[in-house]
Amino acid sequence: EAGVAQSPRYKIIEKRQSVAFWCNPISGHATLYWYQQILGQGPKLLIQFQNNGVVDDSQLPKDRFSAERLKGVDSTLKIQPAKLEDSAVYLCASSSRLAGGINEQFFGPGTRLTVL
Amino acid sequence: AQSVSQHNHHVILSEAASLELGCNYSYGGTVNLFWYVQYPGQHLQLLLKYFSGDPLVKGIKGFEAEFIKSKFSFNLRKPSVQWSDTAEYFCAVNADNTDKLIFGTGTRLQVFP
Repeated sequence: EAGVAQSPRYKIIEKRQSVAFWCNPISGHATLYWYQQILGQGPKLLIQFQNNGVVDDSQLPKDRFSAERLKGVDSTLKIQPAKLEDSAVYLCASSSRLAGGINEQFFGPGTRLTVL
Repeated sequence: AQSVSQHNHHVILSEAASLELGCNYSYGGTVNLFWYVQYPGQHLQLLLKYFSGDPLVKGIKGFEAEFIKSKFSFNLRKPSVQWSDTAEYFCAVNADNTDKLIFGTGTRLQVFP
């Protein structure tokens, strides 16, 4: 079974530039997540999609971050304009609901963003 | 707000030593608990999980964890570590059967041969 795919793996930009990340979840997984992992910290959820609808975006800095999941499959996360503090690894995960209502999340390799 | 604490930030062990990594969470309701591992250069992988039932759960590669509800803890253990266990370990919780995972800050484990 193919895992969660993300691209690019690395990105270096200057502050105030824009950047976009792409994620392709495991086939058939209805739920997709974007996490931000700052160095020395655990991943923090930015946004959760169920099919192509947003379930939770309470921690997404909406003045500069946006995400979409058209057609309920692939997703893109955009930052515009980027700030120095956005330097982090951006992780995409997907899940499907198991029997009993529990979900297990599978993570992609992440995109390491450096903002100079 | 829910939170997860991992008190050991960096652990250094020799091969064959025993391992215990602490994890405490703050939430009074029903929780699902997870340990994820990230080997150098690889993505996060699920090590083990607790949803209900036997509080002692066994995962891959000889790891196990015990859920102690009264202590709000879910410590990870392995009786004898190997060099290949060198990785970062994250404890995570989701509450009330929501999908949102709350992660701890992680513990970096280094095992020397």
